[in-house]
Parts: sequence; C-alpha cells; structure tokens
Amino acid sequence: GQQLNQSPQSMFIQEGEDVSMNCTSSSIFNTWLWYKQDPGEGPVLLIALYKAGELTSNGRLTAQFGITRKDSFLNISASIPSDVGIYFCAGQKGSGNTGKLIFGQGTTLQVKP
Amino acid sequence: KAGVTQTPRYLIKTRGQQVTLSCSPISGHRSVSWYQQTPGQGLQFLFEYFSETQRNKGNFPGRFSGRQFSNSRSEMNVSTLELGDSALYLCASSLVQAGSGTEAFFGQGTRLTVV
Repeated sequence: GQQLNQSPQSMFIQEGEDVSMNCTSSSIFNTWLWYKQDPGEGPVLLIALYKAGELTSNGRLTAQFGITRKDSFLNISASIPSDVGIYFCAGQKGSGNTGKLIFGQGTTLQVKP
Repeated sequence: KAGVTQTPRYLIKTRGQQVTLSCSPISGHRSVSWYQQTPGQGLQFLFEYFSETQRNKGNFPGRFSGRQFSNSRSEMNVSTLELGDSALYLCASSLVQAGSGTEAFFGQGTRLTVV
C-alpha cells in the first residue's frame, strides 16, 4: 500500500542533542499527524497539523506542515532517554470526513545517556 | 475519559482458523479504523467504519472483514488464517468532523500470532 517517505530510518544520539526527522510525499495531504510508539504498545499522538505552513509545539517537540502540503517535519529539542521509541508521521487526504491515515515507515530513535 | 480499548491483547491461532478482534472507541467517537502493523510492511490501513457503515477499505483480501455496532464498538474478523497474518492489529478512534482535520487515537493493539 501507499506509504509516506520518512527519514531517517534510525538515529542514535547523545542525551541533550536535538533531533530532526521528516516525511515527504508525492501527494498532497490535508492533515499531518506525528506519533510515538513504544515496543508492544499502540502509537501515541504527539502533534496534529491542519494547515499548510502551520508550526506547532508540544513541549520539546515542534512540528511543521510544509507549505506545499507534501511534507512535514518533527524536531525534538534537548533529547532525554525517555524519547527512545519509534516515531511515525501520518497523513490524511480527506477534508475531515475520514479517519483513514497513511503512515511513514517510522524513525527509530535511540538516546545514549 | 477512557481511551481506546482493544481485546484481547495477545492471541495465538493455528493456520486455517479464524479470529475476531474487538475495539471499543473513545466515548463519542463514531469512526473506527483498523490497521495491520508488521516489521516488513509497517502500518497498513485495513478499513474504516463510521456509523455502522464501512466507509473506506484498504488493499487486503476478503478474508479480512469488520463491522461496527450501534454503540460504535467494532470488531474485525480474519478467516482462514495464514502465517503472514501474524501482526499487531491496531484500532484507531476518531471524532470525525466535516470540513476539518481529525485526530486518530490508537488502542494498545492485539498481537496475533499464527502458527
């Protein structure tokens, strides 16, 4: 099935470093969502973006909806060990009348204390 | 507010058997979507139900089916199980509102192992 192109696939960083990951697509999306998934658990919603160019923060997390509506990025500042996990981007093409999401392949983040 | 509840958490089935998974969405959410997560394919959309009607369907064989009840609870069924059906099955609940984006909240998933 269709997936978004998410990069990098994995990152191994030092505690305190900033992290950046992004998602791109050849298609336009109307909503971008970022999730974090811990092993054996379901994805947890971090940030939702609804408008092109929108920049939204949630604590140390900042995400932006690309102005072309074909991409989005997520930044994590001053990483800590509990940031470890898999981060997924997800896009939605409908105008709010559907719950269907298309997911990126995920970015596995490891943080060295 | 209670989150999305999926049961059971773990399941082991034999090839050829069938299985039914259950999902209770967040109260007030009428959209329930199902996803299959595997290491090789990632998160793949199975189908979405809204007000007891299937509204979207992913690219999965007819062995995968679902339904939604009047209280928005949903079940998905997989018949004639194959080894490749082993996966984490995730349910997502959404408060879908026309004209605006919607957030999807996931349950913890059901880990299905087919042997």
